[in-house]
Amino acid sequence: SAVISQKPSRDICQRGTSLTIQCQVDSQVTMMFWYRQQPGQSLTLIATANQGSEATYESGFVIDKFPISRPNLTFSTLTVSNMSPEDSSIYLCSVEFWGQAGNTIYFGEGSWLTVV
Amino acid sequence: ELKVEQNPLFLSMQEGKNYTIYCNYSTTSDRLYWYRQDPGKSLESLFVLLSNGAVKQEGRLMASLDTKARLSTLHITAAVHDLSATYFCAVDTNTGNQFYFGTGTSLTVIP
Repeated sequence: SAVISQKPSRDICQRGTSLTIQCQVDSQVTMMFWYRQQPGQSLTLIATANQGSEATYESGFVIDKFPISRPNLTFSTLTVSNMSPEDSSIYLCSVEFWGQAGNTIYFGEGSWLTVV
Repeated sequence: ELKVEQNPLFLSMQEGKNYTIYCNYSTTSDRLYWYRQDPGKSLESLFVLLSNGAVKQEGRLMASLDTKARLSTLHITAAVHDLSATYFCAVDTNTGNQFYFGTGTSLTVIP
């Protein structure tokens, strides 16, 4: 399994500001994923981040709004830019880990953002 | 468009009862995952189902996968209050490393 740490765990942000979420993994992984979970909703994939290349964004998400960095195999950041109340969500970092039972996705503790 | 649907969305059941949560998906996939999410918490991996006919059990929960029907079930046996949580299924598409999550089932077990 993998241990994934996210910072910050919670934050209250002012409208129009930007916030960067950090994700640290205790082992090297090829792919890291960023999800958003709006209140009472399921998870939506924002983008996939591979080390050494630009992130691949899902439909409805753009780099200008959610820039992602992936400087090495254990770390990634997601920035939520020019925030509005609609960006109030849980943002989850995850990694795919291959074990004896096959692959699965492990999640960080999540970053709870409230935009006021 | 890929769809992963769960049924029911909300489930209230009494302790000691049995019930099944269903997960239907619209794409070809041999891999399906079940997660649990407690309020205010992240997601915890419960089961990884990697082939047609796969069945896994852990305590009062049992998950199965029918890839031909594109259906997975999560069966709860003799429910206890500690099982109250939201349960998500997720599908890993055969064409890429993307996980698509179901709508979620909010389970409340009443004493």
